[in-house]
Amino acid sequence: QITLKESGPTLAKPTQTLTLTCTFSGFSLNTAGVGVGWLRQPPGKALEWLAVIFWDDDKRYRPSLKNRLTITKDTSKNQVVLTLTNVDPVDTATYYCAHRRIAAYGWFDSWGQGTLVTVSS
Amino acid sequence: QSALTQPPSASGSPGQSVTISCTGTSSDVGGYNYVSWYQQHPGKAPKLMIFDVSKRPSGVPDRFSGSKSDNTASLTVSGLLAEDEADYYCSSYGGSNSFVVFGGGTKLTVL
Repeated sequence: QITLKESGPTLAKPTQTLTLTCTFSGFSLNTAGVGVGWLRQPPGKALEWLAVIFWDDDKRYRPSLKNRLTITKDTSKNQVVLTLTNVDPVDTATYYCAHRRIAAYGWFDSWGQGTLVTVSS
Repeated sequence: QSALTQPPSASGSPGQSVTISCTGTSSDVGGYNYVSWYQQHPGKAPKLMIFDVSKRPSGVPDRFSGSKSDNTASLTVSGLLAEDEADYYCSSYGGSNSFVVFGGGTKLTVL
């Protein structure tokens, strides 16, 4: 059974760097084809894909946020970390991490419960 | 503004069928057979309902079906049940740089 859980601060101040951790079980990021993605959903708005990291450490970022995002993995801890620099109130959202299985192009089959991050001074 | 265009709302009575559209471009929906659909109930995480245009993950009822024609994909929910009332999001592979793009979501109401 695949499970994912997001953790991190619930509140961030403008200009700070936000660091979120996804801790997962039921799969290995050492397995060829597997990936973990981060997505977010501002309150009352649509889903947005942010970044994805693959088993071979290949990474993809949302083009409009590429300069502010970094995604890394620690396979020994079964964790994936997302950092977002210089946060702004518009970054207020529920942040999700999700599992990308082998040969899945643009979709995620298991999601974490999400964590709400509010950016406010 | 979302990359893919969905109607903001759709509705149907129990037992009826409803179809939700998702329009993109030749760079996403039209360019790949990698359209997916998610169901999201209030306060819950999205749930994958359809992947690769028309495939259903294990456990998803066959009342849910997907299709695609040119740059427009569709999700059809047949035999509507009260529990189908939720937000539905389409997404598509957008190539190696965009990876995935989403629609703005459709709120499905079961009357």
